[in-house]
Amino acid sequence: DVKVTQSSRYLVKRTGEKVFLECVQDMDHENMFWYRQDPGLGLRLIYFSYDVKMKEKGDIPEGYSVSREKKERFSLILESASTNQTSMYLCASSSTGRIYNEQFFGPGTRLTVL
Amino acid sequence: SQQGEEDPQALSIQEGENATMNCSYKTSINNLQWYRQNSGRGLVHLILIRSNEREKHSGRLRVTLDTSKKSSSLLITASRAADTASYFCALIKAAGNKLTFGGGTRVLVKP
Repeated sequence: DVKVTQSSRYLVKRTGEKVFLECVQDMDHENMFWYRQDPGLGLRLIYFSYDVKMKEKGDIPEGYSVSREKKERFSLILESASTNQTSMYLCASSSTGRIYNEQFFGPGTRLTVL
Repeated sequence: SQQGEEDPQALSIQEGENATMNCSYKTSINNLQWYRQNSGRGLVHLILIRSNEREKHSGRLRVTLDTSKKSSSLLITASRAADTASYFCALIKAAGNKLTFGGGTRVLVKP
C-alpha cells in the first residue's frame, strides 16, 4: 500500500515564524503535491513537483515555497507565517504515467498561526 | 474559482438507504475522480471515470458522467454508518495537468 506521511498532525506557530511542513512517500512516486483545505473552499493546490528539484506553482502559491531535494520528500515552506495561513495542509503523491490518475494523500497537518 | 461544484453540500440518511451526490463543472475534462475524507483525515481515492466513459461501478459505488451536461453523480448504495464522511469530486481539465477539487458533500449516515 502507498503510504504518504506528514511530519506533524498539529502545529502551532507564531506570526512571522518560518514553518516547514514535511511530506514523505514510500512508493517511488515521481509526482508530489501540496494542498490547503479550508471550510467551504475545498482543496486548493499550492505547489506540485514532477521530479526531483522540479516545482510548479499551483493556484495559490503566494506566501509559500517548496523544496524537493529527494524523490521521496516534498517540503512546504512558509517563509513568514501569517494568520491567514491557518489551515489544514494536505500532501499527495502519484506515479508518472498516471498523472491523470489517482493521488494518494497523507493524513494532513492542521496548522494554526497565532 | 472551483471547477467542480458538489450538490448537496450536506446529506443525512438512515443506514441502508442510498446516498446520491452530484458534481457539476464548467470546462471539458480528461477525467473526473471521487474522493472520500473522514473527519480530520486525508483523502482516499474512490473511483475515476474518464471523459469517454458514462458509468463505472466499484463495490457499492456507482459513478455516472454526462459530458453534455457537464455533470457527474456518485451513488452509494445500502449505506453504512462507516460511509459517514465528506465526498469530493475532482477533475482534470482536457488541456490541463492539475486536479481541481470541489467543495465537497458532507454525508451523515445514521445507524
